[in-house]
Amino acid sequence: DVKVTQSSRYLVKRTGEKVFLECVQDMDHENMFWYRQDPGLGLRLIYFSYDVKMKEKGDIPEGYSVSREKKERFSLILESASTNQTSMYLCASSLWSGLSTEAFFGQGTRLTVV
Amino acid sequence: QQQVKQSPQSLIVQKGGIPIINCAYENTAFDYFPWYQQFPGKGPALLIAIRPDVSEKKEGRFTISFNKSAKQFSLHIMDSQPGDSATYFCAASYTGNQFYFGTGTSLTVIP
Repeated sequence: DVKVTQSSRYLVKRTGEKVFLECVQDMDHENMFWYRQDPGLGLRLIYFSYDVKMKEKGDIPEGYSVSREKKERFSLILESASTNQTSMYLCASSLWSGLSTEAFFGQGTRLTVV
Repeated sequence: QQQVKQSPQSLIVQKGGIPIINCAYENTAFDYFPWYQQFPGKGPALLIAIRPDVSEKKEGRFTISFNKSAKQFSLHIMDSQPGDSATYFCAASYTGNQFYFGTGTSLTVIP
């Protein structure tokens, strides 16, 4: 059974803290993504990565950074957490091929910044 | 700018009804149009997907209708059941690039 695992289901952090969200996939996928999900706004892409040490900005990268040191692991970093970063964060992975293929999602991390 | 526009935002149907969710896109380079289903507390999961070389795809009670000239696609759920109550997202992607998601439709099927 294919799997994308996010390290935490729920997190509560204080304003100004540095926050790490971890994601691991066991499918040997090249592509990995970080989205945030907010009511009425759908899923918005923060960053994605095509390969180890590669990263591309998505639609809303401000206030975030990412790290991909190993193929199976993609980390999202909130450099200095703010209350407007309270959200559901979803990690996903997909196989790279000549055509687009299915993205597999983790269960999500609900982050609350107080 | 929203690359994929989805409507309606919410939908309530009786059991056995046929809810229809619509999406529209602008980028003609898109080559993959999936629908994702999300239950509360879970990540989205692929429900059904279509490529632009076909106009319709059925998998069980779920059907995608695709209109390439109008740049629109829709999800139909036949004989809807209370267990289909979830949030549905349409999406579009091209050549292994990022996925662009619609804003989601919250579906409630009343017993």
